[in-house]
Amino acid sequence: DAKTTQPNSMESNEEEPVHLPCNHSTISGTDYIHWYRQLPSQGPEYVIHGLTSNVNNRMASLAIAEDRKSSTLILHRATLRDAAVYYCIPDTGNQFYFGTGTSLTVIP
Amino acid sequence: DTGVSQDPRHKITKRGQNVTFRCDPISEHNRLYWYRQTLGQGPEFLTYFQNEAQLEKSRLLSDRFSAERPKGSFSTLEIQRTEQGDSAMYLCASSLMTFSSYNEQFFGPGTRLTVL
Repeated sequence: DAKTTQPNSMESNEEEPVHLPCNHSTISGTDYIHWYRQLPSQGPEYVIHGLTSNVNNRMASLAIAEDRKSSTLILHRATLRDAAVYYCIPDTGNQFYFGTGTSLTVIP
Repeated sequence: DTGVSQDPRHKITKRGQNVTFRCDPISEHNRLYWYRQTLGQGPEFLTYFQNEAQLEKSRLLSDRFSAERPKGSFSTLEIQRTEQGDSAMYLCASSLMTFSSYNEQFFGPGTRLTVL
C-alpha cells in the first residue's frame, strides 16, 4: 500500500492562502493523487486529483513535485467553510487509503 | 446532500446481535464502496462492487462482515455477532466508473453503530 505523510493539523487565517503538504514517496508512476476533504459530521467529498502536472479547479489547486514524491493542495483564499480534515490519497487501483489527514482550522 | 443515502443513520445494539445497514447509491452509478471510520481516523476501505459483482472483499475486517448488492443498485452491509470494537461510522460511497472520466466517489452521511 502506498503510504502518505501529512501534518496532523494546520491553521490559517480567513481569506489567506493555505498550502497543505503531503509526502507520498512510495507512489508508483501511474498512480493518481487524489485529495478529499471531510467536513464535520459529513462524509468525505472530492477536492481535486492529478497525475504529473499541476491542476486547478474551482475549489483548489494541486501542485505535484517533479519526482512525484510529494504534492501540495492550495486553497487560494481560506473561508470558514473550508475547515475540515483534508486527505491526500494515492490511487492504488480501485481502493482508497485515507490515512489520518490534516485537520485545517480557519481563524476568523 | 450528495444523492447517496444510508439507513439507518444511527444504530445501537447489544454485543452479539446482528446488524444490517443499507446504502442507496446515486442511481446511474455502477460502483459502490463500503468504508469504516473510527474516531480520529480516516475512512478505512472494506469492500467494493461493480454492478452486482463484489470485486474486492479481502479488506473486510473478519468473516463476521459481509456485503451484498444483489441487483446492482442498493447494497447491504451485515455484521454478525457484533463486538464492542465494531462501534464506528460505516460509510458508503458510489461512483460512475468509465474509462473517459474521473471516477469521483460520492459519499453518504454514514451509519453510526454503537455496540453496548
